[in-house]
Amino acid sequence: GIQVEQSPPDLILQEGANSTLRCNFSDSVNNLQWFHQNPWGQLINLFYIPSGTKQNGRLSATTVATERYSLLYISSSQTTDSGVYFCAVEGGSYIPTFGRGTSLIVHP
Amino acid sequence: DADVTQTPRNRITKTGKRIMLECSQTKGHDRMYWYRQDPGLGLRLIYYSFDVKDINKGEISDGYSVSRQAQAKFSLSLESAIPNQTALYFCATSDFKASGGDTQYFGPGTRLTVL
Repeated sequence: GIQVEQSPPDLILQEGANSTLRCNFSDSVNNLQWFHQNPWGQLINLFYIPSGTKQNGRLSATTVATERYSLLYISSSQTTDSGVYFCAVEGGSYIPTFGRGTSLIVHP
Repeated sequence: DADVTQTPRNRITKTGKRIMLECSQTKGHDRMYWYRQDPGLGLRLIYYSFDVKDINKGEISDGYSVSRQAQAKFSLSLESAIPNQTALYFCATSDFKASGGDTQYFGPGTRLTVL
């Protein structure tokens, strides 16, 4: 199956800082999603982005499918951005595979 | 009302007991999934169902079984619970389209503790 690697595994920021989270995958994908798991455990869709670039407020994501990676950008981070960010991909079989996540802590 | 619901939200049980976790959705999606989450390991797929008559094992199906009672309902059973099945369990649905797109939506999770 497809291997998914996320980096960095842990990230600590001061409020207002910018950050880039990376998701590498080992094979071509049909689908890619980014999720945020808040401190209460809820998984929230951020982006559905198998290719190209999308923006939603302070968050944006870019997937370069030919080079097998996706980036999630967080600008002007806030304490509410804390949590774990997951990348999930689907290859030709459409079976989802998650990375292990990036744990983000934003200090006030 | 939530689109994907899970019951119970928390459960403590003893080794050897049979446990059923239930998932219901009002999104009208054909595809449903069960995952478990362990600290540092992300989400791992237990079983998935692409429609009512199609059920498949995921990465870590040993010790688990599922039932797809209807399009809207997908249950996960632990036949004889053991302590290393202590985890956070998530149900998800997805809106697969042949024309493109397969976005997953998650329930709130069930925290299961096996003593």
